[in-house]
Amino acid sequence: EAQVTQNPRYLITVTGKKLTVTCSQNMNHEYMSWYRQDPGLGLRQIYYSMNVEVTDKGDVPEGYKVSRKEKRNFPLILESPSPNQTSLYFCASSLAGREQFFGPGTRLTVL
Amino acid sequence: EDQVTQSPEALRLQEGESSSLNCSYTVSGLRGLFWYRQDPGKGPEFLFTLYSAGEEKEKERLKATLTKKESFLHITAPKPEDSATYLCAVQAAYNFNKFYFGSGTKLNVKP
Repeated sequence: EAQVTQNPRYLITVTGKKLTVTCSQNMNHEYMSWYRQDPGLGLRQIYYSMNVEVTDKGDVPEGYKVSRKEKRNFPLILESPSPNQTSLYFCASSLAGREQFFGPGTRLTVL
Repeated sequence: EDQVTQSPEALRLQEGESSSLNCSYTVSGLRGLFWYRQDPGKGPEFLFTLYSAGEEKEKERLKATLTKKESFLHITAPKPEDSATYLCAVQAAYNFNKFYFGSGTKLNVKP
């Protein structure tokens, strides 16, 4: 089954404790992206990757890092999480410039 | 500044009562406009892509249309299973990798 998977689905952590949210797709898509979704603000793009080793900032990259060492994986790293990063996070993948396929989401709470 | 505004924020319909959702946008050259459906606790699911003014796409009870400044998602004779949040996103012509989402319209269809 074609899909985007994210882990963990739910995470509660404390300020400053480094964490990684994994994202994997099995559709051989070149493009992958991370979004955060907050009430009233919609989905906002954090980072995106056009292919292996090629990444760029979206609209809200502060406090996040990404890497793309393999085509299928695109982890999101929060090196020192803060409460304002409490949000619902979505990973997505697509063929270049086409409609995106989204993962199920990761609900992150930073205390 | 690239921006997407969706209205109304929420819409309650009786089963069979047709209506339209609006997505207005400002972007420096539109490459594509995307509609997604999002069910509670899930990631967005792709519905349509529109590329040029005058274009229309249909799928079951849904029809999406596009003008130079806005898009409409028309819902004809909705059913309770059409209840969801509908998101619109624009893709800028100057950077195919960046997407700007509206905050969505939450549709509730009562039987």
